[in-house]
Amino acid sequence: GQQVMQIPQYQHVQEGEDFTTYCNSSTTLSNIQWYKQRPGGHPVFLIQLVKSGEVKKQKRLTFQFGEAKKNSSLHITATQTTDVGTYFCAEETSGSRLTFGEGTQLTVNP
Amino acid sequence: NAGVTQTPKFQVLKTGQSMTLQCAQDMNHNSMYWYRQDPGMGLRLIYYSASEGTTDKGEVPNGYNVSRLNKREFSLRLESAAPSQTSVYFCAIKTGEVFHEQYFGPGTRLTVT
Repeated sequence: GQQVMQIPQYQHVQEGEDFTTYCNSSTTLSNIQWYKQRPGGHPVFLIQLVKSGEVKKQKRLTFQFGEAKKNSSLHITATQTTDVGTYFCAEETSGSRLTFGEGTQLTVNP
Repeated sequence: NAGVTQTPKFQVLKTGQSMTLQCAQDMNHNSMYWYRQDPGMGLRLIYYSASEGTTDKGEVPNGYNVSRLNKREFSLRLESAAPSQTSVYFCAIKTGEVFHEQYFGPGTRLTVT
């Protein structure tokens, strides 16, 4: 079964508000990847975090990896309608296989 | 989706029918994957192939077979389709060597009635 739990399942925000999704594991993660899937589309790779306590930024997106490497978060500052979609975290296991969380579906009201 | 193509885009099958989903890449990468995505859920790995001629089971392999006859193509076969196999199927390749990101095809939307 899935080893990474993602919350919340849904998030509705007004344009301009911030958004955060969390990914949690009961075991230590070797690394964590984040993907975005637009409605009706395919997942698109955003970033990979490897180091304990790592923080990476992509414009309005901030990704964090916990000190114990058991959790991760994606924060979007001042959401825009283009941010609409489902955000997935994924744990990489042997053979570069990915185990995906169930995703957080973000809707943005203009 | 330059790089990974999937055919067909849509398919409707009756219970018991068989079909093969095709995936082809023009990016010359070794690792290829098949996932299924059910409504409101994440992606679950069906099978993967680390290189030409090798395949391994993922999380949900039952009811499926795969074939990796060459580096470019990785096909997924449903021998006897069941309604529980109604899903969106994505093929992916591992493109990164430092960051092991996966690049996904556009998907095949399959309905089994």
